[in-house]
Amino acid sequence: EPEVTQTPSHQVTQMGQEVILRCVPISNHLYFYWYRQILGQKVEFLVSFYNNEISEKSEIFDDQFSVERPDGSNFTLKIRSTKLEDSAMYFCASGGASYNEQFFGPGTRLTVL
Amino acid sequence: RKEVEQDPGPFNVPEGATVAFNCTYSNSASQSFFWYRQDCRKEPKLLMSVYSSGNEDGRFTAQLNRASQYISLLIRDSKLSDSATYLCVVRTQGAAGNKLTFGGGTRVLVKP
Repeated sequence: EPEVTQTPSHQVTQMGQEVILRCVPISNHLYFYWYRQILGQKVEFLVSFYNNEISEKSEIFDDQFSVERPDGSNFTLKIRSTKLEDSAMYFCASGGASYNEQFFGPGTRLTVL
Repeated sequence: RKEVEQDPGPFNVPEGATVAFNCTYSNSASQSFFWYRQDCRKEPKLLMSVYSSGNEDGRFTAQLNRASQYISLLIRDSKLSDSATYLCVVRTQGAAGNKLTFGGGTRVLVKP
């Protein structure tokens, strides 16, 4: 069964450093998403991406964040200068159509020290 | 008011029993509804979509009440493996996107 994959599974970084989280969505999906979940809290939407551009973003997704689909398979989330409060689990998701279910990757646990 | 609200639980359920819980949502423009399940420190996994007429998938039954803006999930004949956090999820069509809004989850513990 096709699945979303994410790398790395755990990333530890120093405050102020840049990180890039990587995702490989399900191959025939067209809609891509990033969500995050701070430990003990609910899953929160960050950004959606379709047709090589951002289609919607939340208040969390400020200028420190960017997304890219550098090739036909990868979808990346970059945090330019990490803050302590960026520590969370980051989930990538993909969907086949705008109204379809979204399928989540296993997540990258980001720890900012 | 929270966009999607759930009783956090935990619901302690004897193995073989039935458990049911609800969630409420605030945005009347919400278009699609889902139950996801999340195990500790894992990704949300789609359990089932929720349709207006109600739907069943094995031991799981979901209901949607658009007038009252609530969604329910019922689990029959609970198994130990049903222990998880159940996330009520609502899809709202934005100007150009389809973000999912998650509730905080209802924790279910099935005990022998």
